[in-house]
Amino acid sequence: EIVLTQSPGTLSLSPGEGATLSCRASQSVSGNYLAWYQQKPGQAPRLLIYGASSRATGFPDRFSGSGSGTDFTLTISTLEPEDFAVYYCQHYGSSPPMYTFGQGTKLEIK
Amino acid sequence: QVQLQESGPGLVKPSETLSLTCTVSGGSISRYYWNWIRQPPGKGLEWIGYIFYSGTTHYNPSLKSRVTISVDTSKNQFSLKLNSVTAADTAVYYCARDGYGDNLDYWGQGTLVTVSS
Repeated sequence: EIVLTQSPGTLSLSPGEGATLSCRASQSVSGNYLAWYQQKPGQAPRLLIYGASSRATGFPDRFSGSGSGTDFTLTISTLEPEDFAVYYCQHYGSSPPMYTFGQGTKLEIK
Repeated sequence: QVQLQESGPGLVKPSETLSLTCTVSGGSISRYYWNWIRQPPGKGLEWIGYIFYSGTTHYNPSLKSRVTISVDTSKNQFSLKLNSVTAADTAVYYCARDGYGDNLDYWGQGTLVTVSS
């Protein structure tokens, strides 16, 4: 079972700044099947990035994902007020078949 | 546009069975993988399990002994049963779809289930 570790736990930044969120896997992620979700208070998570680097429908291009193997990054180039939320990474593994989430990074306004 | 909606009791007594249903609209349940995920208050996401429309299931090993997920294709619904609940099972429960991408592309709004006497 792959364990996903996100860092930092909390990131305090100001609108207009750039953000870099990390997700590290305990074993190499096959096929780069790594996804990122955005969750705002009181809302369900929303798929943001899939396949490590493909942006989901509805998200602007200031969001980008990168990485391979065990190290993955979510980058927000220029923070907008609506970007402050909790971000989770996720992987689907086949041995055993299960979805694993990181513990989340809270992106808060400084 | 695919939509998912959870329904079921918001309060369950300790040692009893938690039962929730997810109704899928805007698309057929007879494709894809249909998941349950939960989130305790103030905490992160925990995958519970999924069912394929054919009935094949896989569960989180940590919950496997207490979980059953079933599907009713005639109603475009799938369901979760979690037995012998304790306060630790108090959470917002979400249903979600995996559209063959190994990720969860559509989610319900979630429903809070509290375990308390």
